[in-house]
Amino acid sequence: GENVEQHPSTLSVQEGDSAVIKCTYSDSASNYFPWYKQELGKRPQLIIDIRSNVGEKKDQRIAVTLNKTAKHFSLHITETQPEDSAVYFCAASFSGNTPLVFGKGTRLSVIA
Amino acid sequence: SAVISQKPSRDICQRGTSLTIQCQVDSQVTMMFWYRQQPGQSLTLIATANQGSEATYESGFVIDKFPISRPNLTFSTLTVSNMSPEDSSIYLCSVGLAVYEQFFGPGTRLTVL
Repeated sequence: GENVEQHPSTLSVQEGDSAVIKCTYSDSASNYFPWYKQELGKRPQLIIDIRSNVGEKKDQRIAVTLNKTAKHFSLHITETQPEDSAVYFCAASFSGNTPLVFGKGTRLSVIA
Repeated sequence: SAVISQKPSRDICQRGTSLTIQCQVDSQVTMMFWYRQQPGQSLTLIATANQGSEATYESGFVIDKFPISRPNLTFSTLTVSNMSPEDSSIYLCSVGLAVYEQFFGPGTRLTVL
């Protein structure tokens, strides 16, 4: 079955700097790669996703890149702000209507 | 997106008892899933709740321990049976909307004493 590895497990950046979180997956049949942000005590929130027919997607300060050949995808957050502090999870699946396999998460701390 | 609610939001239970968690969506959805998030950990899929048929369980999860119902396209329940302290977790339902979006309910925080 699918296996998703996520790095780093913790990340501290200064406010205004960029943050990058990387994930690798094992199943070449996976086509859908969402990223979730989870604040303390809250549900995971979908912040951006990418599908296998796209190499890069951007939404304001957040971007995701996908390399299907190498089976890895990354989340990039630019101009980080304290409210970006949270745990971020990557996931992989065949589609949004199939079960997600999650990475172990990255705890991002943005220091003001 | 859809409005997803879960009941209860939290509970404290005694070992050996059972708790049923409800997940309600404000629109009909084809796919509903149940995940477990142990303290400080990632999300692990328990099962896919299939409407009109038995749920599909992941390795390590069994129907006797986690029976699931899906009577219609807007509602599902997950029961945690014969609970032990190791079952203390957050239980989340999620729904697949369109082909490429999956959203989570607010979760049920369960503590077993």
